[in-house]
Amino acid sequence: GENVEQHPSTLSVQEGDSAVIKCTYSDSASNYFPWYKQELGKGPQLIIDIRSNVGEKKDQRIAVTLNKTAKHFSLHITETQPEDSAVYFCAAISGGSYIPTFGRGTSLIVHP
Amino acid sequence: DAGITQSPRYKITETGRQVTLMCHQTWSHSYMFWYRQDLGHGLRLIYYSAAADITDKGEVPDGYVVSRSKTENFPLTLESATRSQTSVYFCASSGGLGGYTFGSGTRLTVV
Repeated sequence: GENVEQHPSTLSVQEGDSAVIKCTYSDSASNYFPWYKQELGKGPQLIIDIRSNVGEKKDQRIAVTLNKTAKHFSLHITETQPEDSAVYFCAAISGGSYIPTFGRGTSLIVHP
Repeated sequence: DAGITQSPRYKITETGRQVTLMCHQTWSHSYMFWYRQDLGHGLRLIYYSAAADITDKGEVPDGYVVSRSKTENFPLTLESATRSQTSVYFCASSGGLGGYTFGSGTRLTVV
C-alpha cells in the first residue's frame, strides 16, 4: 500500500519568513495530493491540492509543487503570519482508490 | 445548514459502556470515513464506506462498529468503551473526485 512520509514534524519560523513542508510517497499510481490545515480544536481543512498532471499550483501565499519522478511534493507558504500557525497534513490518493494516505503532520509555529 | 456535522462535540463515558458518535453530511457524498487522532499517530482510519450498506475496515477497526443505512449518516459505535479509545474522532466525506471534507470532531474521554 501507499506510504507517505512528512517532514519536518515541527517547524518554527519568524513572521514574514517562508515555510516549506515536504512529503514523499511510495505508490507511483498516486495521482492526487491534497494538503490540509488543522487549527487547534478544529477538523482538518483542505487548503490546496494538486493532481499528477500538474507540476505546481499557487493560491495567494501558498503553493504546492509535485515531482512525480522523485515521488515527492511540497507545501510552500510565503510571508508567514501568526494565523498560519497550525498542524499541516499532506496526503496521497491513488487513482485506483478513494482512500487517502496521510502524512503524520507538521506543527508550524509562526512567531510574531 | 449544508456541510458535515458531528455530535456530540464532547463526551465522557465510563469503561465498558456503549457509546455512539454521530456523523451527518448534506452533500449526498458517496464516501464517508471515520478517523481517530492521537498525539504521535496522526490520523488513523477506523472504518470507511463507499455507499449506503457498504462498509469496510480501516487501519484500526477493533472495538468499533459502523453502519450506513442512509447515505447521509455514518454513526460509529464503541460497543464496550476502553480507556485506549480516549481520542478525538473525526468523520469525513468525499464525492470521490478527491475533495475530502472533515467534521469538527468529537473529543471522547473514557474514564
